[in-house]
Amino acid sequence: QKEVEQNSGPLSVPEGAIASLNCTYSDRGSQSFFWYRQYSGKSPELIMSIYSNGDKEDGRFTAQLNKASQYVSLLIRDSQPSDSATYLCAVNRGWSNFGNEKLTFGTGTRLTIIP
Amino acid sequence: DVKVTQSSRYLVKRTGEKVFLECVQDMDHENMFWYRQDPGLGLRLIYFSYDVKMKEKGDIPEGYSVSREKKERFSLILESASTNQTSMYLCASSVRDRVGTEAFFGQGTRLTVV
Repeated sequence: QKEVEQNSGPLSVPEGAIASLNCTYSDRGSQSFFWYRQYSGKSPELIMSIYSNGDKEDGRFTAQLNKASQYVSLLIRDSQPSDSATYLCAVNRGWSNFGNEKLTFGTGTRLTIIP
Repeated sequence: DVKVTQSSRYLVKRTGEKVFLECVQDMDHENMFWYRQDPGLGLRLIYFSYDVKMKEKGDIPEGYSVSREKKERFSLILESASTNQTSMYLCASSVRDRVGTEAFFGQGTRLTVV
Protein backbone atom coordinates (compact mmCIF):
# COMPACT_ATOMS: atom_id res chain seq x y z
CA GLN A 1 0.00 0.00 0.00
CA LYS A 2 1.34 3.40 -0.95
CA GLU A 3 1.86 5.87 1.89
CA VAL A 4 -0.14 8.58 0.13
CA GLU A 5 -2.59 7.75 -2.64
CA GLN A 6 -4.35 9.98 -5.11
CA ASN A 7 -6.36 9.34 -8.22
CA SER A 8 -4.04 10.38 -11.06
CA GLY A 9 -6.89 11.68 -13.19
CA PRO A 10 -7.17 13.49 -15.45
CA LEU A 11 -10.13 15.14 -13.80
CA SER A 12 -12.11 17.46 -16.04
CA VAL A 13 -14.45 20.02 -14.51
CA PRO A 14 -16.50 22.75 -16.24
CA GLU A 15 -15.60 26.33 -15.46
CA GLY A 16 -17.57 27.61 -12.48
CA ALA A 17 -18.21 24.14 -11.04
CA ILE A 18 -16.73 22.57 -7.92
CA ALA A 19 -13.61 20.44 -8.32
CA SER A 20 -13.14 17.73 -5.71
CA LEU A 21 -9.73 16.15 -5.16
CA ASN A 22 -9.16 13.24 -2.81
CA CYS A 23 -6.23 11.71 -0.98
CA THR A 24 -5.79 8.81 1.44
CA TYR A 25 -2.79 8.04 3.61
CA SER A 26 -1.60 4.95 5.43
CA ASP A 27 0.31 6.20 8.48
CA ARG A 28 -2.04 6.89 11.39
CA GLY A 29 0.74 8.85 13.10
CA SER A 30 0.59 11.55 10.44
CA GLN A 31 -0.02 14.96 11.90
CA SER A 32 0.02 17.53 9.12
CA PHE A 33 -1.45 17.55 5.65
CA PHE A 34 -0.84 19.78 2.67
CA TRP A 35 -2.14 20.47 -0.78
CA TYR A 36 0.30 21.75 -3.38
CA ARG A 37 -0.43 22.97 -6.87
CA GLN A 38 2.07 22.37 -9.65
CA TYR A 39 1.83 23.94 -13.07
CA SER A 40 3.55 22.18 -15.92
CA GLY A 41 7.29 22.80 -15.83
CA LYS A 42 7.11 24.59 -12.48
CA SER A 43 7.84 23.59 -8.91
CA PRO A 44 5.06 22.84 -6.40
CA GLU A 45 3.54 25.72 -4.46
CA LEU A 46 1.53 25.40 -1.26
CA ILE A 47 -2.22 26.03 -1.44
CA MET A 48 -3.53 24.74 1.88
CA SER A 49 -2.35 23.16 5.07
CA ILE A 50 -4.58 21.40 7.59
CA TYR A 51 -3.75 19.88 10.95
CA SER A 52 -7.09 19.18 12.68
CA ASN A 53 -10.15 17.20 11.74
CA GLY A 54 -12.81 19.16 9.92
CA ASP A 55 -12.84 21.82 7.25
CA LYS A 56 -10.50 24.72 6.60
CA GLU A 57 -11.48 27.38 4.11
CA ASP A 58 -9.30 29.88 2.28
CA GLY A 59 -11.01 31.82 -0.47
CA ARG A 60 -12.25 29.39 -3.12
CA PHE A 61 -10.36 26.50 -1.53
CA THR A 62 -11.56 24.20 1.24
CA ALA A 63 -9.44 21.43 2.74
CA GLN A 64 -11.16 18.63 4.62
CA LEU A 65 -9.48 16.21 6.99
CA ASN A 66 -10.83 13.02 8.53
CA LYS A 67 -8.11 11.32 10.56
CA ALA A 68 -10.31 8.37 11.52
CA SER A 69 -10.79 7.53 7.85
CA GLN A 70 -7.25 8.67 6.94
CA TYR A 71 -8.68 10.88 4.25
CA VAL A 72 -7.90 14.40 3.04
CA SER A 73 -9.72 16.30 0.33
CA LEU A 74 -9.52 19.61 -1.46
CA LEU A 75 -12.54 21.41 -2.89
CA ILE A 76 -12.14 24.21 -5.38
CA ARG A 77 -15.27 26.30 -5.80
CA ASP A 78 -16.05 28.40 -8.87
CA SER A 79 -13.29 26.64 -10.80
CA GLN A 80 -11.30 28.81 -13.18
CA PRO A 81 -9.14 27.82 -16.17
CA SER A 82 -6.13 29.05 -14.17
CA ASP A 83 -6.83 26.24 -11.70
CA SER A 84 -5.79 23.71 -14.35
CA ALA A 85 -2.71 22.06 -12.86
CA THR A 86 -1.55 18.96 -11.04
CA TYR A 87 -2.54 18.89 -7.38
CA LEU A 88 -0.27 17.09 -4.96
CA CYS A 89 -1.32 15.81 -1.57
CA ALA A 90 1.49 15.69 1.01
CA VAL A 91 1.54 14.16 4.46
CA ASN A 92 4.02 14.78 7.26
CA ARG A 93 4.44 12.47 10.19
CA GLY A 94 6.03 15.15 12.32
CA TRP A 95 8.69 14.08 14.74
CA SER A 96 8.79 12.53 18.16
CA ASN A 97 12.51 11.94 18.07
CA PHE A 98 15.25 12.84 15.65
CA GLY A 99 14.78 11.64 12.15
CA ASN A 100 11.07 10.93 12.14
CA GLU A 101 10.04 13.89 10.07
CA LYS A 102 9.31 12.83 6.52
CA LEU A 103 7.16 14.74 4.07
CA THR A 104 5.62 12.24 1.66
CA PHE A 105 3.78 13.13 -1.52
CA GLY A 106 1.13 11.42 -3.54
CA THR A 107 1.60 11.10 -7.29
CA GLY A 108 -0.79 13.97 -7.94
CA THR A 109 -4.12 14.50 -9.70
CA ARG A 110 -4.15 16.35 -12.99
CA LEU A 111 -7.06 18.77 -13.07
CA THR A 112 -8.36 20.42 -16.22
CA ILE A 113 -10.97 23.19 -16.06
CA ILE A 114 -12.99 23.33 -19.25
CA PRO A 115 -14.05 26.86 -20.30
CA ASP B 1 9.36 35.62 1.00
CA VAL B 2 11.10 32.31 1.40
CA LYS B 3 13.61 31.73 -1.29
CA VAL B 4 15.04 28.35 -2.17
CA THR B 5 17.57 28.53 -4.97
CA GLN B 6 18.96 25.62 -6.94
CA SER B 7 22.24 26.20 -8.71
CA SER B 8 21.15 25.05 -12.18
CA ARG B 9 17.89 24.77 -14.11
CA TYR B 10 19.27 22.33 -16.66
CA LEU B 11 22.26 20.00 -16.56
CA VAL B 12 23.58 17.44 -19.00
CA LYS B 13 26.15 14.99 -17.68
CA ARG B 14 27.82 11.86 -18.95
CA THR B 15 27.43 8.40 -17.48
CA GLY B 16 29.95 7.82 -14.72
CA GLU B 17 30.49 11.49 -13.90
CA LYS B 18 30.24 12.76 -10.34
CA VAL B 19 27.46 15.32 -10.22
CA PHE B 20 26.80 17.98 -7.61
CA LEU B 21 23.40 19.66 -7.24
CA GLU B 22 23.41 22.65 -4.93
CA CYS B 23 20.55 24.20 -2.99
CA VAL B 24 20.53 27.31 -0.83
CA GLN B 25 17.70 28.70 1.31
CA ASP B 26 17.58 32.11 2.92
CA MET B 27 14.99 31.63 5.67
CA ASP B 28 17.05 29.92 8.33
CA HIS B 29 15.03 26.70 7.98
CA GLU B 30 16.26 23.68 9.90
CA ASN B 31 14.90 21.08 7.47
CA MET B 32 16.03 20.60 3.91
CA PHE B 33 14.95 17.93 1.43
CA TRP B 34 15.93 16.51 -1.92
CA TYR B 35 13.24 14.93 -4.12
CA ARG B 36 13.20 13.62 -7.62
CA GLN B 37 10.08 13.81 -9.75
CA ASP B 38 9.29 11.41 -12.57
CA PRO B 39 6.11 11.03 -14.64
CA GLY B 40 3.68 8.63 -13.00
CA LEU B 41 5.83 8.30 -9.88
CA GLY B 42 5.35 11.72 -8.33
CA LEU B 43 7.84 13.23 -5.92
CA ARG B 44 10.05 10.71 -4.20
CA LEU B 45 12.21 11.64 -1.24
CA ILE B 46 15.91 10.95 -1.70
CA TYR B 47 17.40 12.42 1.47
CA PHE B 48 16.53 14.97 4.08
CA SER B 49 18.43 16.86 6.73
CA TYR B 50 17.05 18.30 9.96
CA ASP B 51 20.21 20.08 11.08
CA VAL B 52 23.74 20.88 10.02
CA LYS B 53 25.74 17.70 9.37
CA MET B 54 22.63 15.59 10.05
CA LYS B 55 21.00 13.53 7.33
CA GLU B 56 18.39 10.83 6.96
CA LYS B 57 17.73 8.51 4.05
CA GLY B 58 14.47 8.93 2.26
CA ASP B 59 12.72 6.38 0.09
CA ILE B 60 15.25 6.14 -2.74
CA PRO B 61 18.76 6.99 -1.46
CA GLU B 62 20.66 4.45 -3.55
CA GLY B 63 23.21 6.07 -5.83
CA TYR B 64 23.01 9.40 -4.01
CA SER B 65 24.71 11.09 -1.09
CA VAL B 66 24.22 14.48 0.53
CA SER B 67 26.19 17.09 2.38
CA ARG B 68 25.06 19.79 4.76
CA GLU B 69 28.02 21.72 6.13
CA LYS B 70 26.10 24.96 6.61
CA LYS B 71 22.50 25.48 7.64
CA GLU B 72 21.52 27.28 4.46
CA ARG B 73 23.08 24.86 1.98
CA PHE B 74 22.16 21.27 1.12
CA SER B 75 23.99 19.46 -1.64
CA LEU B 76 22.96 16.32 -3.50
CA ILE B 77 25.77 14.21 -4.95
CA LEU B 78 25.45 11.58 -7.63
CA GLU B 79 28.59 9.54 -7.08
CA SER B 80 28.60 7.98 -10.54
CA ALA B 81 25.77 9.25 -12.71
CA SER B 82 23.67 6.71 -14.57
CA THR B 83 20.99 7.15 -17.23
CA ASN B 84 18.27 6.08 -14.77
CA GLN B 85 19.09 9.16 -12.73
CA THR B 86 17.79 11.38 -15.51
CA SER B 87 15.02 13.28 -13.75
CA MET B 88 13.75 16.55 -12.33
CA TYR B 89 15.39 17.21 -8.96
CA LEU B 90 13.65 19.44 -6.45
CA CYS B 91 15.09 20.87 -3.28
CA ALA B 92 12.85 22.07 -0.47
CA SER B 93 13.16 23.53 3.01
CA SER B 94 10.89 23.89 6.02
CA VAL B 95 10.82 25.02 9.60
CA ARG B 96 11.39 22.20 12.06
CA ASP B 97 8.24 21.81 14.12
CA ARG B 98 6.73 18.99 16.14
CA VAL B 99 3.77 18.50 13.82
CA GLY B 100 5.57 19.30 10.60
CA THR B 101 5.23 22.39 8.48
CA GLU B 102 4.90 23.19 4.81
CA ALA B 103 7.89 22.86 2.54
CA PHE B 104 9.04 25.57 0.14
CA PHE B 105 10.52 24.41 -3.14
CA GLY B 106 13.29 25.58 -5.39
CA GLN B 107 12.73 25.95 -9.12
CA GLY B 108 14.05 22.48 -9.89
CA THR B 109 17.01 21.10 -11.81
CA ARG B 110 16.34 18.98 -14.85
CA LEU B 111 19.24 16.56 -15.09
CA THR B 112 19.89 14.51 -18.19
CA VAL B 113 22.51 11.76 -18.04
CA VAL B 114 23.73 10.61 -21.43
